[in-house]
Amino acid sequence: GEDVEQSLFLSVREGDSSVINCTYTDSSSTYLYWYKQEPGAGLQLLTYIFSNMDMKQDQRLTVLLNKKDKHLSLRIADTQTGDSAIYFCAEKRPSGNTPLVFGKGTRLSVIA
Amino acid sequence: DAGVTQSPTHLIKTRGQQVTLRCSPKSGHDTVSWYQQALGQGPQFIFQYYEEEERQRGNFPDRFSGHQFPNYSSELNVNALLLGDSALYLCASSPTKGRNTQYFGPGTRLTVL
Repeated sequence: GEDVEQSLFLSVREGDSSVINCTYTDSSSTYLYWYKQEPGAGLQLLTYIFSNMDMKQDQRLTVLLNKKDKHLSLRIADTQTGDSAIYFCAEKRPSGNTPLVFGKGTRLSVIA
Repeated sequence: DAGVTQSPTHLIKTRGQQVTLRCSPKSGHDTVSWYQQALGQGPQFIFQYYEEEERQRGNFPDRFSGHQFPNYSSELNVNALLLGDSALYLCASSPTKGRNTQYFGPGTRLTVL
């Protein structure tokens, strides 16, 4: 299909790990991104991974990439109430200055 | 170092009117992209400007037009507004050599009545 797909909602308890999943569309996509959007705000770039990598870790964030299944995940360790937001997965397809293609976002709710 | 800035923050217009939104890219960035984010949706690409020219365009009608100035700032113009144009309009900037990384501004919330 043409869409980047994400589950719409995720609820976790404070201190637990959160795993947000995404299925992207183009196996030749070069970069894959995770953005965070808080209410009424723009998009904050959290992290990105190049397509020749399997994993990237940045403090509490771990990105896993399965190219065979076109599956991307974002793990947030020790989830805090401040992590409550909408998380968007995006892919950048090859061929020059192609734009980002976003999923519909996953709303993460952290319960204290 | 200022990030991407956009103005105005909010805007209310009526159907048929025209609107201009503005964006200043992050320092050192020369490429500006515009996205439309409808409520409950992910951002949809409108177009991208580099060297004062439109380089890429998404699936948006000609009512959507833009401009980039020599200082790399950009404008998005929408003519003959429709109710369906109500959305958050996001500007993203990227540096020439790091065009794969886009940094977003806070957006302009447009409401069409």
